[in-house]
Amino acid sequence: DTAVSQTPKYLVTQMGNDKSIKCEQNLGHDTMYWYKQDSKKFLKIMFSYNNKELIINETVPNRFSPKSPDKAHLNLHINSLELGDSAVYFCASSQDRERGSVETQYFGPGTRLLVL
Amino acid sequence: GQNIDQPTEMTATEGAIVQINCTYQTSGFNGLFWYQQHAGEAPTFLSYNVLDGLEEKGRFSSFLSRSKGYSYLLLKELQMKDSASYLCAVGDSNYQLIWGAGTKLIIKP
Repeated sequence: DTAVSQTPKYLVTQMGNDKSIKCEQNLGHDTMYWYKQDSKKFLKIMFSYNNKELIINETVPNRFSPKSPDKAHLNLHINSLELGDSAVYFCASSQDRERGSVETQYFGPGTRLLVL
Repeated sequence: GQNIDQPTEMTATEGAIVQINCTYQTSGFNGLFWYQQHAGEAPTFLSYNVLDGLEEKGRFSSFLSRSKGYSYLLLKELQMKDSASYLCAVGDSNYQLIWGAGTKLIIKP
């Protein structure tokens, strides 16, 4: 009964490959997120998404794209992987209440991506 | 620009008290969160402050002063398992979370 789950936990791949990371939440939340955490442990938002709005961090390369088949899933697809993409990628989710509050985010276990 | 500042690393002794400070400059303010992250694991929610003052939750307390753009997380009766990174995050005017780089807390016996 894991709240937010991600697969795979580890991903080792070659430069130039295309890969996907899957995320699922069973909390009934409306909003999901993707974060990148680099070697310096800085947590950087990449995307936030609900059924109404996709918000993209403008610094994210367009090689990264979120794909949401339904409200409980937000997958991350990465094209043409580069060495600098090596990091830990966290999925998170939160309630999407009326504007006027920032809701607590619940994180998945992370996917450790290593690009060789 | 938006900025969250926390000390990079702190060391404390088991059984003692430690205070981790966070100062922020954001476009608007919609709450401040503290998260704990153990090495190799996901961040987990610790506390939320939206009004000035102290919020106490067991051994952990969090304080907020909106006029000063300042918060602290207070950990009492430190245990070895409290060794982790502590992340400060602020909701901005767009209701997005802006994250600090985290403070690595090392607990020594």
